[in-house]
Parts: sequence; C-alpha cells; structure tokens
Amino acid sequence: RKEVEQDPGPFNVPEGATVAFNCTYSNSASQSFFWYRQDCRKEPKLLMSVYSSGNEDGRFTAQLNRASQYISLLIRDSKLSDSATYLCAVNTNAGKSTFGDGTTLTVKP
Amino acid sequence: DVKVTQSSRYLVKRTGEKVFLECVQDMDHENMFWYRQDPGLGLRLIYFSYDVKMKEKGDIPEGYSVSREKKERFSLILESASTNQTSMYLCASSSPRDGSTDTQYFGPGTRLTVL
Repeated sequence: RKEVEQDPGPFNVPEGATVAFNCTYSNSASQSFFWYRQDCRKEPKLLMSVYSSGNEDGRFTAQLNRASQYISLLIRDSKLSDSATYLCAVNTNAGKSTFGDGTTLTVKP
Repeated sequence: DVKVTQSSRYLVKRTGEKVFLECVQDMDHENMFWYRQDPGLGLRLIYFSYDVKMKEKGDIPEGYSVSREKKERFSLILESASTNQTSMYLCASSSPRDGSTDTQYFGPGTRLTVL
C-alpha cells in the first residue's frame, strides 16, 4: 500500500461546478500537509498548506482529518484555468515530503 | 520569489554514458531534493540533502549518486545511464526557516531520454 493515495481521476466537470479531491495517508506521525498544482509539462507549485483547523483561499478550501488520516481539497465555481493535476503531499520527517500520484482535473466549457 | 533552476530542460544521452544534472537555488535553502516523475508512478524521491556535504537516500537511489559541495547547488549523477532512467527529473528546495513549513519549491524539470 502506498504511503499517500489519491484517486487518479480523471475528473471532468463543467465550468461552475464544485469538485472535491481526497487524499489518504498511512503514517499517523505525519506532521504537515500540502496541496500542489501541476500544469501539463510544468513543475508542481504549492497551491496551499493544509491546517488542522481547515483553511480557505478564495474558491479553494482544504481540510485535514487526522483521525481518519485524510486531507481534502474543495474547488468551488470551477474555471477552465483550474484544469491541472493536483498532488497532495505529506511530511513525516522534517523537510521530506511524500507525494500522491495526483488527481487530474479537466474543466470544460 | 524562490528560484530553482536546472541546467537543461531536455537531454538525450546514450546507454552507458555518465550524466550530470545540475540544480541551483537562490534562496539559501538548507534542504534540496531530487525526484523523478513517471506516468502512473508519481513523484519518487531519489536523494535529498539537509546541508552541504550531507546526503540521504530516498526511495529509489539505485543507479544514482549526488553531490552537494555548495549550499545552493545539488547535482544528480547517473554513473552509467540506462534506458529505464528515461524520465522527468525534478529538483526542489525547502527551508525549515520558511514560514510555510517546509513547502518545496521545484525547478522546471529536465526531461532525460536515454537511448
């Protein structure tokens, strides 16, 4: 079993839709959590960190459930420009991240 | 803004060649990482370094070595390239001093093809 698992998708949604991604992790000692966005043929870039209290950045909301060991990303009012692969990442030892394989989102007009 | 640069965007080498991939970051980050990314396998950690002259094996170090002689530079070496090392190679850096708690900043990647 992988340390960090994501549904690979693809998720195909119309503009304006709300879409949610989940990511589960196996190591209960994990300390920090992130969502990265990766555009086609580009490098991953941080979308947002995920805090225990949950956090929101515009149309994006990230949540952490330590008891069930998963993190989620909710995108509201999807835009065409949201089409990308979304990677979750979990840090267990300081500085070292384990990444999920990514979930591909395509937003269609 | 943090900038991580990699020496080449595309590289074509022959089996058995020694290959050097260079990564430089300009934000005085302590931590540097080398990953490879393959379809269906995601990002896999090859080696990482927490400081100059320090290195730690990641999940898939076989066939690779690294060098970190200066804080800003982390090199990945393929001693004898093989076709199964054809991949996208991504370098990243981070710092425990960064308020974003070890966010990783990635370079643009090097797409290596071994013929």
